[in-house]
Order: sequence, then C-alpha cells, then structure tokens
Amino acid sequence: GQNIDQPTEMTATEGAIVQINCTYQTSGFNGLFWYQQHAGEAPTFLSYNVLDGLEEKGRFSSFLSRSKGYSYLLLKELQMKDSASYLCAVRRAAGNKLTFGGGTRVLVKP
Amino acid sequence: KAGVTQTPRYLIKTRGQQVTLSCSPISGHRSVSWYQQTPGQGLQFLFEYFSETQRNKGNFPGRFSGRQFSNSRSEMNVSTLELGDSALYLCASGSNTEAFFGQGTRLTVV
Repeated sequence: GQNIDQPTEMTATEGAIVQINCTYQTSGFNGLFWYQQHAGEAPTFLSYNVLDGLEEKGRFSSFLSRSKGYSYLLLKELQMKDSASYLCAVRRAAGNKLTFGGGTRVLVKP
Repeated sequence: KAGVTQTPRYLIKTRGQQVTLSCSPISGHRSVSWYQQTPGQGLQFLFEYFSETQRNKGNFPGRFSGRQFSNSRSEMNVSTLELGDSALYLCASGSNTEAFFGQGTRLTVV
C-alpha cells in the first residue's frame, strides 16, 4: 500500500516542542525523508532516515522505527519562522521515487 | 555549489497547448525526479530519470513525458493542456541519502 499518514494540522507555542508523527505501510521500505514547505515555496530537505533510531540536526530531530512503520519529526525551541507544512515521504524501491503524505501544517503562536 | 534550477518560474498557457519545463540538477547528481503539486492532491510523483533513462514512472497520462540529457539536465513536456494541469511542477535532484527540490514552475492553464 501507498498510504502515508500524518496529522493535518498542529498548533504550538513559541519556544515549545512539537512532534509530528508519520505512519506508513512497511512493505518495500527504502528510506524516509522529511521536508519543510513554507506557503508558496518549494519543499526544503530536512532529514533522511533509513535505519532505526534518532537523527539529530540542531533543533530538528527525526526518528524511525522500520518494524512499526513509524517516524516522527521533532521540532524543539519553536520559532515563529517554523510555521510551515511538514511533509513525510517514503522511498520504496531503488531510485528516487518518493511517495508523500498529505503534510502537517504547523502553526506557531507567540 | 548551485542548487536545483528550474525554468521558467511562471507560465500561463491556454487549453490545448503544450509546454516544456526545464530542470538543471545539482552538479554531480545524476538522478532527476519530477513532481506535480496541487492543493487537492498534494505532491505526486511524475517520473524519474537517471543517466538519460527513465527509471521510475508515476500514474499520469501519456500527455506527460520527459527526458534527460547527457549533462543530467532534464525536461518535462505536457501536451494538450487541460485546466486540471494547473499546478506547481517541482523537480528534485538527489543521491541515495538526500533529495533537493528546485523552486518549481507554476503553470496556470486558462
């Protein structure tokens, strides 16, 4: 199956932490990507996970559990500029065909 | 290192016309993928080219086609444009562990 599920929208306060979950069908998994997309702009690459565990990059971290078909993106010390859509994408086979979830719109409030 | 470059940034075409979009990948990347993004359907994979060969294909009609040149630059063509083809067309260049998007071409069909 191709279903990749993410919450539609989340709201958080400036300075707080938000966790965006992504679940996917586990068959044929070959990597998971997270992107940030501001309105009217192209997606920006945030992270890539292919092995289980946590990858940390500054204020952003991404976690993967292959057996559970589950990933999350953790945004710490939220800033107003983090208000954007966050897209989870799965690569299943060789090559670079990515299947995207619908995206999670995060709104950061003062 | 230059990023992914797409031209043109904006296009307005009439139903029935055809259009060609161009993408220059990051230097050294041989894989170029194309995506269509609309508010209703989200980001959907069109096709991927690697070393001048189509490696993956999405579920779009034959009116959508592409090619890749020996310098890795890629073009996509849409013939007999329909109103529903209005979208942001994104190209991504990548390796096994990353995929970066260009700024996109916003196509409006009237």
